[in-house]
Order: sequence, then C-alpha cells, then structure tokens
Amino acid sequence: GESVGLHLPTLSVQEGDNSIINCAYSNSASDYFIWYKQESGKGPQFIIDIRSNMDKRQGQRVTVLLNKTVKHLSLQIAATQPGDSAVYFCAENMIKAAGNKLTFGGGTRVLVKP
Amino acid sequence: GAGVSQTPSNKVTEKGKYVELRCDPISGHTALYWYRQSLGQGPEFLIYFQGTGAADDSGLPNDRFFAVRPEGSVSTLKIQRTERGDSAVYLCASSASGTPGREQFFGPGTRLTVL
Repeated sequence: GESVGLHLPTLSVQEGDNSIINCAYSNSASDYFIWYKQESGKGPQFIIDIRSNMDKRQGQRVTVLLNKTVKHLSLQIAATQPGDSAVYFCAENMIKAAGNKLTFGGGTRVLVKP
Repeated sequence: GAGVSQTPSNKVTEKGKYVELRCDPISGHTALYWYRQSLGQGPEFLIYFQGTGAADDSGLPNDRFFAVRPEGSVSTLKIQRTERGDSAVYLCASSASGTPGREQFFGPGTRLTVL
C-alpha cells in the first residue's frame, strides 16, 4: 500500500544549530501532512501540519515545507535545544478516509549535542 | 489531567495468554483510535471507533485482535492467544468527530511484552 517514509534514521545536531528532517511520501491524495515528536515513553505529540494546497507553514521555531512535485516533506527546527532531542515522525492524513486515520513514516531520531 | 490515559503502562505476558489493554479518551471526544508501534517504527493504524461502533477495523492484523467501546467512551483492546510478534507499544488516540488528523491526541501507550 501507499506509505510515508524518511531518508535519515538519526540526526546529530549541535545545540543552537538548525535541524532539518526529511520525509518522502507516496500518496498524492493526502490532504494533510503532519509532524509529530515522540519522547521516550510517551505518545506522539503534534508539532505542526500543512495542508496539501500549501508549500510552507511556520510555527514557533519550526517550519514545514511541502514539495508536491517530488513528494517531499521537511521539518526545520531553528536554534535546536536539548529538549528537541526525540524521535520525529511525519504522517499523512486523508480527510475522506474513515475517521481521518493517520499513516506514519518510520521516524528520525534527533540527538542534540551540548 | 485531561489527556488520554492508558492502562496498564506495561504488560508482560506469556505466549498463548489473553490480554486486555484499556484506553480512557479525552472527555467528549467521540472518535477513538488504536495504533500499534513496533520498536523503531512509526505507529500503525489498527481500528477506529466513532461512538460505540467500530467504523474501520481494517488495521487489525488477524482475528486474535478485537476491540470494544460499549458506552462510547472507554475502549478495551483484547488480544487472544498472544504471540511473541504481538510485542509492541499499543497507542490510543482520541479526537472530536470530524476533525482532521492533527487533532488526534495520543496517550502514553501500553508496552506489551510477550515472552
């Protein structure tokens, strides 16, 4: 079936630097693309999402970019902090799908070095 | 706290045993989801409830898995004749009906280990 995947399994970043996490998707019919952060022992936590008709969306210290031509999604974290250390997942969501279920990729672990 | 809660947080069982995992959604949320997360993987959809009924159970791997939500609030995921391959973190999420995926709030999960 269609799936969402990631390029890099682990990303080491110096504190204060910017982080970029990438994701490739295959379902061009998805309506939303969502980034989640998951810390050890916790459930995924919503970070930011972007509708399929947008190219860029900014939040607090985070920016999501969507390139529909190459089916690529990225999450940029500005001035990475130790608290940003976690696993990050991209997910896609089709509004038409029953219950708006989410399809997740495999995750990227971000390690912030002091 | 007003978040999604799951019990137990950890469950260790032996192969062949029966287990029940419980989810308490956010009050007022009519939609409830179960996902399964294997080590190093993203969560995988299992089943979705709208109210008391299972609107989509296409993610359940086989007939050993069953879930109920009899009163439209608390849900129980039931696994019969557990196998070692069932070991994973089982996540529950809830949302207000009709909202897009961003508004699914996840619980901390139940870590199931089948020996």
